[in-house]
Amino acid sequence: DIQMTQSPSSLSASVGDRVTISCRASQSVASHLNWYQQKPGKAPKLLIYSASSLQSGVPSRFSGSGSGTDFTLTISSLQPEDFATYYCQQSYTTPRFGPGTKVDIK
Amino acid sequence: QVQLLESGPGLLKPSETLSLTCTVSGVSISSYYWSWIRQPPGRGLEWLGYIFYTGSADYNPSLKSRVTISIDTSKNKFSLRLSSVTAADTAVYYCARVKQQLGGYNWFDTWGQGTLVAVSS
Repeated sequence: DIQMTQSPSSLSASVGDRVTISCRASQSVASHLNWYQQKPGKAPKLLIYSASSLQSGVPSRFSGSGSGTDFTLTISSLQPEDFATYYCQQSYTTPRFGPGTKVDIK
Repeated sequence: QVQLLESGPGLLKPSETLSLTCTVSGVSISSYYWSWIRQPPGRGLEWLGYIFYTGSADYNPSLKSRVTISIDTSKNKFSLRLSSVTAADTAVYYCARVKQQLGGYNWFDTWGQGTLVAVSS
């Protein structure tokens, strides 16, 4: 059973900041890693699939990288609408989500 | 535009069976895999299972004995049944479409709005 961890669990940032969120799998998931954004009271929204592919309609300030066990979600310039919780999810075996990283306003 | 909408009872008693339906519009249900995912209040996301239009399904091993997902292609709907519920099953339940790519890559690209199911005596 592949376990997912994320760091940090929360972070405070300002508009315009570059933000990076890490996700680690307990064993290799190759590039079978997806990222979602969730705002309070809303369903998750797909941002990145297959580790680095940007979902249609998602702003280009979002990017994903990594393979194997270590992955990163980067927001190049944080915008007000980006304050949310971010989840990684591996799809290599039984789908499993990371515990989430909450991004709030500094 | 693809849309998914969950429906079903919002309150159950312990030991009852949870039954939810996801109505799909804007696309034929026969073209994709479909999933159920839940989120307890204030907590993370848990995948429950998925189904293909053929009826082929797979479930989260941690819940496999209690979960059944079925599909009705004539009505463009799929359903979730979770038996013997307890307070630990209180959660927002989401249905979602599974997109796939060669190489076994898959992801949840479209989600319903979610429906809260509470289990309480």
